[in-house]
Amino acid sequence: GNSVTQMEGPVTLSEEAFLTINCTYTATGYPSLFWYVQYPGEGLQLLLKATKADDKGSNKGFEATYRKETTSFHLEKGSVQVSDSAVYFCALSGGAQKLVFGQGTRLTINP
Amino acid sequence: DTGVSQDPRHKITKRGQNVTFRCDPISEHNRLYWYRQTLGQGPEFLTYFQNEAQLEKSRLLSDRFSAERPKGSFSTLEIQRTEQGDSAMYLCASSLGTWAAGGAGELFFGEGSRLTVL
Repeated sequence: GNSVTQMEGPVTLSEEAFLTINCTYTATGYPSLFWYVQYPGEGLQLLLKATKADDKGSNKGFEATYRKETTSFHLEKGSVQVSDSAVYFCALSGGAQKLVFGQGTRLTINP
Repeated sequence: DTGVSQDPRHKITKRGQNVTFRCDPISEHNRLYWYRQTLGQGPEFLTYFQNEAQLEKSRLLSDRFSAERPKGSFSTLEIQRTEQGDSAMYLCASSLGTWAAGGAGELFFGEGSRLTVL
């Protein structure tokens, strides 16, 4: 079945550091891929998405590229801020917009 | 506020009691989803509705769980004879059931209803 594996956390970085959170997936067919973010005390919200191979999703300085050959969708940001502290979830769409999530990676950015 | 709202935000109950959660989706959304999230894990799919029809149920949804969306608007998730293993955050999400550009897979989540079973 479909599954998503994320880099284990928690991840702690200093402000302005480079961020990578790894995500790999197993799926039948050609799923869409997503990163959702959950800020403290808030609901999950879509950060970015990619719907086909080689697409790059981007938002708020974050980027992720849909790599079919390595079944990966790693999240990157060149310079993180304290306000990026949150839990990040990689997910794939298994049909009918039903999402399969990874376990989440908690990110803490220190000033 | 026109987002997804859930009620109650937190419910503490004793084992064996019944609980019901309510979700009000974004008004124009025809799809509604329920997920369960335990500590340190990602959300797990439970069930989803298109309008008032329940189209899919996960194996996680035992016969103690029932979900309804009677008029295709709000939804309820009821858990009967709660067990300690039911303690989790129950998330509701809604979406437009279309694959038009920009709509593929974007679910809008509520803040969740946290259940604690003592």
